[in-house]
Amino acid sequence: DVKVTQSSRYLVKRTGEKVFLECVQDMDHENMFWYRQDPGLGLRLIYFSYDVKMKEKGDIPEGYSVSREKKERFSLILESASTNQTSMYLCASSGRETGETQYFGPGTRLLVL
Amino acid sequence: QKEVEQDPGPLSVPEGAIVSLNCTYSNSAFQYFMWYRQYSRKGPELLMYTYSSGNKEDGRFTAQVDKSSKYISLFIRDSQPSDSATYLCALQIYNQGGKLIFGQGTELSVKP
Repeated sequence: DVKVTQSSRYLVKRTGEKVFLECVQDMDHENMFWYRQDPGLGLRLIYFSYDVKMKEKGDIPEGYSVSREKKERFSLILESASTNQTSMYLCASSGRETGETQYFGPGTRLLVL
Repeated sequence: QKEVEQDPGPLSVPEGAIVSLNCTYSNSAFQYFMWYRQYSRKGPELLMYTYSSGNKEDGRFTAQVDKSSKYISLFIRDSQPSDSATYLCALQIYNQGGKLIFGQGTELSVKP
């Protein structure tokens, strides 16, 4: 079974703090993704990576950065957290081929005060 | 106009009802069509996957794709309270690094 784990289920941070969200997958997948999920807006892609040290901007990259130093690990960084970044953050991974299923982690619910 | 439109609901039905969930899309380049189910406070999980027009059945679930109308549906027969979840359609274009475009999700509640 594919397993995607995220470092925290719930996180509370203050405005201006630097926040790290970590994601690890155990299926040797090439692709990894970070989404945020907000009511009425669905899942929106923040960044994705198709290989180690490679990254591509998604639809809403502003205020975020990512790091992929190892194939199994993909980190999302909020450089200076703001209240409008309060959201559910979901990590996913998939194989390289088009049509491959994305497997999701359980999500991190982030509250920025 | 969003690339993928999905009625957010919420949708409430009695146990045993047939449920129809729908998405429309605007880009004819979409070739892969998926339905994910997301229980409260969990990550989405793949429910159905198809890449051609027509119907695909899996137990009580049927995924339907009409590429000419740019319309996809998920039907749930004999719905159960355990089907209560948010259902998301997800579409993919060939050769775009595995990116999925999601609908907004429809929240379904099946009442006993």
